[in-house]
Amino acid sequence: NAGVTQTPKFQVLKTGQSMTLQCAQDMNHNSMYWYRQDPGMGLRLIYYSASEGTTDKGEVPNGYNVSRLNKREFSLRLESAAPSQTSVYFCASSEWADTQYFGPGTRLTVL
Amino acid sequence: KQEVTQIPAALSVPEGENLVLNCSFTDSAIYNLQWFRQDPGKGLTSLLLIQSSQREQTSGRLNASLDKSSGRSTLYIAASQPGDSATYLCAVSKSDSWGKLQFGAGTQVVVTP
Repeated sequence: NAGVTQTPKFQVLKTGQSMTLQCAQDMNHNSMYWYRQDPGMGLRLIYYSASEGTTDKGEVPNGYNVSRLNKREFSLRLESAAPSQTSVYFCASSEWADTQYFGPGTRLTVL
Repeated sequence: KQEVTQIPAALSVPEGENLVLNCSFTDSAIYNLQWFRQDPGKGLTSLLLIQSSQREQTSGRLNASLDKSSGRSTLYIAASQPGDSATYLCAVSKSDSWGKLQFGAGTQVVVTP
């Protein structure tokens, strides 16, 4: 039982490059989330998916797209990376509004 | 817009003392409140979840209270240990958007042996 897994763990991009962050959960949860964590700003919600087939914007969605591939997987895509997107990205899952379980994070640097 | 504040930002206590961590929020129309722990370089670990209809939740040495009308929650950790050193974050969700957690900036705790 791995919980929430994220790949990659670290990534360095150049401005303008694109990439997809992958997230998978094995707890059969309906809801999944993407957050970013920045010093002094705390954790902020980027997008979430209340259930398979639905996605909704969070507090800071600009510059990102998401795909709920199936019940297990929720990916986050940066189409044209910017230095302002340098951050630590966390994926989480929950059974509806219950406790959220977090992955280990992806540390992204955009040069 | 919901604002979540955690004071103090940092706290250092000797081992064995009780820890008291505060969380305040501006909009009392919450769905639930969650307390998390984060170790350096790691993800968040859930500690306690309090539904809006509850006044407190307990798990082992941890006890969290909720006063929705005054917009406050307090996390108590009894008989602190060096292993309790971490950053503690609270987060609230609103009644009309339960999936959207709003986090405080956290309280960094150091327990000295």
